[in-house]
Amino acid sequence: DIQMTQSPSSLSASVGDRVTITCRASQSISTYLNWYQQKPGKAPNLLIYAAYILQSGVPSRFSGSGSGTDFTLTIGSLQPEDFATYYCQQSYSTPRTFGQGTKLDIK
Amino acid sequence: QVQLQESGPGLVKPSETLSLTCTVSGGSISGFHWTWIRQPPGKGLEWIGYIYYTGSTNYNPSLKSRVTMSVDTSNNQVSLTLSSVTAADTAVYFCSREFRNDYGNNWFDPWGQGTLVTVSS
Repeated sequence: DIQMTQSPSSLSASVGDRVTITCRASQSISTYLNWYQQKPGKAPNLLIYAAYILQSGVPSRFSGSGSGTDFTLTIGSLQPEDFATYYCQQSYSTPRTFGQGTKLDIK
Repeated sequence: QVQLQESGPGLVKPSETLSLTCTVSGGSISGFHWTWIRQPPGKGLEWIGYIYYTGSTNYNPSLKSRVTMSVDTSNNQVSLTLSSVTAADTAVYFCSREFRNDYGNNWFDPWGQGTLVTVSS
């Protein structure tokens, strides 16, 4: 199985801050990497697929980059609705695997 | 737009079988892979497996011996059974569509709202 490791596991930030979340794969996955946002009591919501392609309807303050084993999700200017948990997920092979999540809360 | 809705018992006894159904509305299940993912309370996401609309399957090896997925194209539904459950199977179970593009990329979208299944006597 491909292991996905996110850092940090938790992050405190303020509205307007720029934040970056990192995801590392245990082997090269090219750009087969997706990012999801999950709010309490809700299903995850797709933000970015193929490492850097913004899903339709997702604000442009979200961006993704990386290839191979190292990836980042950046939120350009935090808005109140962005405080949530973020997960990366590899789609290179089965079993599909997720990072452990990064909980972003208000400082 | 495609919407997914999970349904099934919220409480299952240890050693029994968990059975859930995902009903797809707003679109056909034909042509797509349909996935089950679970999330224990307060924890991360675990991929259970997927079923193609033709019935071919791919299960997580960690659960493979206990998992069965099926598809009902006439009712636009996919189903999950998990046998011999224990407390460790307590989780919110989500169904989702695994969308694949022409470049080989794939992702989960949309998702159902999820259903909590508790394993307890």
